[in-house]
Amino acid sequence: EAQVTQNPRYLITVTGKKLTVTCSQNMNHEYMSWYRQDPGLGLRQIYYSMNVEVTDKGDVPEGYKVSRKEKRNFPLILESPSPNQTSLYFCASSPTGTGVGSPLHFGNGTRLTVT
Amino acid sequence: AQKVTQAQTEISVVEKEDVTLDCVYETRDTTYYLFWYKQPPSGELVFLIRRNSFDEQNEISGRYSWNFQKSTSSFNFTITASQVVDSAVYFCALSIYNFNKFYFGSGTKLNVKP
Repeated sequence: EAQVTQNPRYLITVTGKKLTVTCSQNMNHEYMSWYRQDPGLGLRQIYYSMNVEVTDKGDVPEGYKVSRKEKRNFPLILESPSPNQTSLYFCASSPTGTGVGSPLHFGNGTRLTVT
Repeated sequence: AQKVTQAQTEISVVEKEDVTLDCVYETRDTTYYLFWYKQPPSGELVFLIRRNSFDEQNEISGRYSWNFQKSTSSFNFTITASQVVDSAVYFCALSIYNFNKFYFGSGTKLNVKP
């Protein structure tokens, strides 16, 4: 089944403890990206990647890191999480960049709580 | 700058009523794409439709229809004869040709009551 898989679905952690949220897609998509969803703000883009070893900042990249060492994987890293990073996170992919109108395929989300 | 506005934060209707979700976008680019996504209570995001800026033809898919009007920069979504299963948060989104970012509106929560 074609899908974007995020893990974990739920994560509770403490301030400053490094964490990684994994994202993997099995559709051979070129483009992958991370979003956070907050009430009243919709989804905001954190980082995106056009291909292996090619990443770029979205609108809210502060406090996050990403890497794209393999085409299928695009982990989101929080080196020192803070409470303002408590949010619902989505990974997404598309066959080509969204700049040619490809819709995004989303994972099921990761609800992160930082205390 | 690009922006998507969904002014309706929350709408409540009774089953079988028709409901329209508004979406207004801002961009100076001439080639762009508009999308609608559905987020049911289970939380996943489901792609509903894409429209490109050169195609103003309205689209109907079952009980769903979309009205794209460049003159008013709007891409509205109508659900006819709403059902309880339509209860969800609906997001409108915009992407620009050759520019790999997606811009989402803040979403409209639709409550359909039996």
